[in-house]
Amino acid sequence: QVQLMQSGTAVTKPGASVKLSCKASQYTFNSNFFHWVRQAPGQGLEWMGAINPTDGNTLYAQNFPGRVTMTGDTSTTTVYLHLRGLTSDDTALYYCAAGQWLSDAFHIWGQGTMVTVSS
Amino acid sequence: QSVLTQPPSVSGTPGQRVSISCSGSSSIIGSNYLCWYQQLPGTTPKLLIYGNNQRPSGVPDRFSGSRSGTSASLAISGLRSEDEADYYCAAWDDRLSGRVVFGGGTKLTVL
Repeated sequence: QVQLMQSGTAVTKPGASVKLSCKASQYTFNSNFFHWVRQAPGQGLEWMGAINPTDGNTLYAQNFPGRVTMTGDTSTTTVYLHLRGLTSDDTALYYCAAGQWLSDAFHIWGQGTMVTVSS
Repeated sequence: QSVLTQPPSVSGTPGQRVSISCSGSSSIIGSNYLCWYQQLPGTTPKLLIYGNNQRPSGVPDRFSGSRSGTSASLAISGLRSEDEADYYCAAWDDRLSGRVVFGGGTKLTVL
């Protein structure tokens, strides 16, 4: 049973940006912090950052200086990841995941969105 | 290079007990809860252990977690073929305003 529903596959060019979505139920949206984690092909998991969607507070990993923005829409119970200045190194599967507090484990995961950056 | 260190691979035979280690600094493993994720081939990661040694509902008690000092371990007893997967440890790092750190992952092969 999917509790976080992510947007579909994205194919984009170097230098462009992409905005991914992750929709949760009202309860899940209001009671969790949301994180974005990515996984390049054949590689491990990389944390990108987190958002408290009810107050909009964010925390970004230092690996993406100025390239990442996470937002939440309370009316649609959806969180978003906006990634700018894409390069081929950003080709990866992007997951949203949720935990009840900022340092909590990720109890809930989305199904992942594949982003391919290619000229 | 990952902040948390895991062996790249481990293997075992059905019924055997295997262990996967995860080591890190005292400021991470020694100060915060550790968790483990299982990623079966081609699937989304799944939480296996949280709070160092707690199992979410539905996770068999064949899986157990432990922590000692700056190291942690995931043990799998009664190994089954369906346990073949990648396993990741993760923890909160209080430094640098806070972040989640992952181990590099361990590929478990059931022979």
